[in-house]
Amino acid sequence: DVKVTQSSRYLVKRTGEKVFLECVQDMDHENMFWYRQDPGLGLRLIYFSYDVKMKEKGDIPEGYSVSREKKERFSLILESASTNQTSMYLCASSGTSRGYTFGSGTRLTVV
Amino acid sequence: AQSVSQHNHHVILSEAASLELGCNYSYGGTVNLFWYVQYPGQHLQLLLKYFSGDPLVKGIKGFEAEFIKSKFSFNLRKPSVQWSDTAEYFCAVNAQGVQNTGFQKLVFGTGTRLLVSP
Repeated sequence: DVKVTQSSRYLVKRTGEKVFLECVQDMDHENMFWYRQDPGLGLRLIYFSYDVKMKEKGDIPEGYSVSREKKERFSLILESASTNQTSMYLCASSGTSRGYTFGSGTRLTVV
Repeated sequence: AQSVSQHNHHVILSEAASLELGCNYSYGGTVNLFWYVQYPGQHLQLLLKYFSGDPLVKGIKGFEAEFIKSKFSFNLRKPSVQWSDTAEYFCAVNAQGVQNTGFQKLVFGTGTRLLVSP
């Protein structure tokens, strides 16, 4: 089975901190994604990457950046965390089969 | 921009009742359609997907969905729900992403919370 691993299940950070969320997949997938999930809003795409060192903005990229130095790893960076970035963050990957596999999520609280 | 609408935000059913969750999308081209489920405290799991062929798709746990192209719909159904079906359900559609790459990103609806009472 494809496995998508997010390094932290829960995180608590202070306002203004720089935050790194890590995601690793083990199936050599080309495409990786970062979503945030909020009640009543569903999943919203923050950034995605279709190749190493390639990245594209999703629907809500403001306040975030990403890094993909290796194919298996896709990092989401909150440059200066704010309370409105408190959310569940989901990483996903997909290959040519067009199916998506999600990680178990990181629940980030910014205080 | 592509979008997905899920009309029911909260649904409450008794066990053995039939379920239908609505999903409509706005995209004029060829689509791939998905239903995902998120059980309490768990990660998103794929219930079923439609890429082409028979518009009636069967998924896991007795769920099925019907793609009706003329209505831009992909409604999820289950004839008889169980308490264990309590979860949040998300409809999603592939949307064209970066030009010329053929790459497609997944756009989600806002989700439907289903509560099944025993």
